[in-house]
Amino acid sequence: GAVVSQHPSRVICKSGTSVKIECRSLDFQATTMFWYRQFPKQSLMLMATSNEGSKATYEQGVEKDKFLINHASLTLSTLTVTSAHPEDSSFYICSARDGRDNQPQHFGDGTRLSIL
Amino acid sequence: AQSVTQLGSHVSVSEGALVLLRCNYSSSVPPYLFWYVQYPNQGLQLLLKYTTGATLVKGINGFEAEFKKSETSFHLTKPSAHMSDAAEYFCVVSDRNNDMRFGAGTRLTVKP
Repeated sequence: GAVVSQHPSRVICKSGTSVKIECRSLDFQATTMFWYRQFPKQSLMLMATSNEGSKATYEQGVEKDKFLINHASLTLSTLTVTSAHPEDSSFYICSARDGRDNQPQHFGDGTRLSIL
Repeated sequence: AQSVTQLGSHVSVSEGALVLLRCNYSSSVPPYLFWYVQYPNQGLQLLLKYTTGATLVKGINGFEAEFKKSETSFHLTKPSAHMSDAAEYFCVVSDRNNDMRFGAGTRLTVKP
């Protein structure tokens, strides 16, 4: 089946650091990738949708300059949390969808980000 | 506009008992419906999906769900719970543009 690889799985870093998270589709071309944030014991909150070769579409309330998204190829999207602070600590999950109809999103295993 | 309501944030069953996780949706267009499972500190794994065709959908790990348009429901069932089924389950509705809306999730606990 389709596989989405997300890396790293866990990051612990100091406040003020920028952190990059990668999301790769391993066996299909992902025309669209999604980035979610999940708070403890809550559902997923969509942060942004990225389409290959174009700017990401951010959900209301998500800071574009804080969460930089790049979707440079059909198999790779990156999320960079810039100048991270403790309130950015969370579980971040990416998903990818190929261009065919009726296809579900396939999710990465998530990244646990802890800002000290 | 689409939305999903999962009835019961926490469901507890005994091992071997029937699992029933409830999901009702609202959609202005024919929906795509999904159930995903999330194990601790992991991403989401697709259990099953309904797009068109047969309304009873079978998924992995013995789960199935039935799309009932008249009831706007897509409840998830499994005849006999196993300890390894303990996880968080999300019902998701999507339109053709893949705008997915997640339910709040239901945590399934399986007692020995």
